Amino acid sequence: GAGVSQSPSNKVTEKGKDVELRCDPISGHTALYWYRQSLGQGLEFLIYFQGNSAPDKSGLPSDRFSAERTGGSVSTLTIQRTQQEDSAVYLCASSLAVTDTQYFGPGTRLTVL
Amino acid sequence: EDQVTQSPEALRLQEGESSSLNCSYTVSGLRGLFWYRQDPGKGPEFLFTLYSAGEEKEKERLKATLTKKESFLHITAPKPEDSATYLCAVAPRSNYQLIWGAGTKLIIKP
Repeated sequence: GAGVSQSPSNKVTEKGKDVELRCDPISGHTALYWYRQSLGQGLEFLIYFQGNSAPDKSGLPSDRFSAERTGGSVSTLTIQRTQQEDSAVYLCASSLAVTDTQYFGPGTRLTVL
Repeated sequence: EDQVTQSPEALRLQEGESSSLNCSYTVSGLRGLFWYRQDPGKGPEFLFTLYSAGEEKEKERLKATLTKKESFLHITAPKPEDSATYLCAVAPRSNYQLIWGAGTKLIIKP
């Protein structure tokens, strides 16, 4: 079956611009996670959605970051007024339930000039 | 504080030279330990989940083992296509969030 998909695969933007990153989870997966991975670093948790519950936004690094999940499926991560330190790979993962194995998408590489 | 440490940071082996990667963890109650493989430019690919000390799982040339303090990923007679970064993550009982190690970059030379 189809895995987690993310778009775009690459995004180059200028400092100060807003960007939107999209994630399509595996069908039927109720949990969805966003992570950030900087070069040579481990995965940094950003935000988590579980079904219709309020998302856990505890990992968002600043109020420039926000995310939504529509209809319990597709999710969009928005970064406003991008800064150079936002440059990283943004990974999305989904799981059947919160305690289950997370399956990752290919990521979006964001470069802020 | 819950913590995961992977060693070594990088490992270069000749094709066929077996070795092990280490994942040491400190967590207040372990729900599970996960191993992933990540190729350059791609997302992590799930390999194994281990739940209790003494558990072992195998897949092709890889075998993962678990004790109360650490996990090993043993690679037997590796091939160049096994080159990747291997990530370890721990799921504590107290929190659904995974705690990730920084990874071990494995390079297998032909």
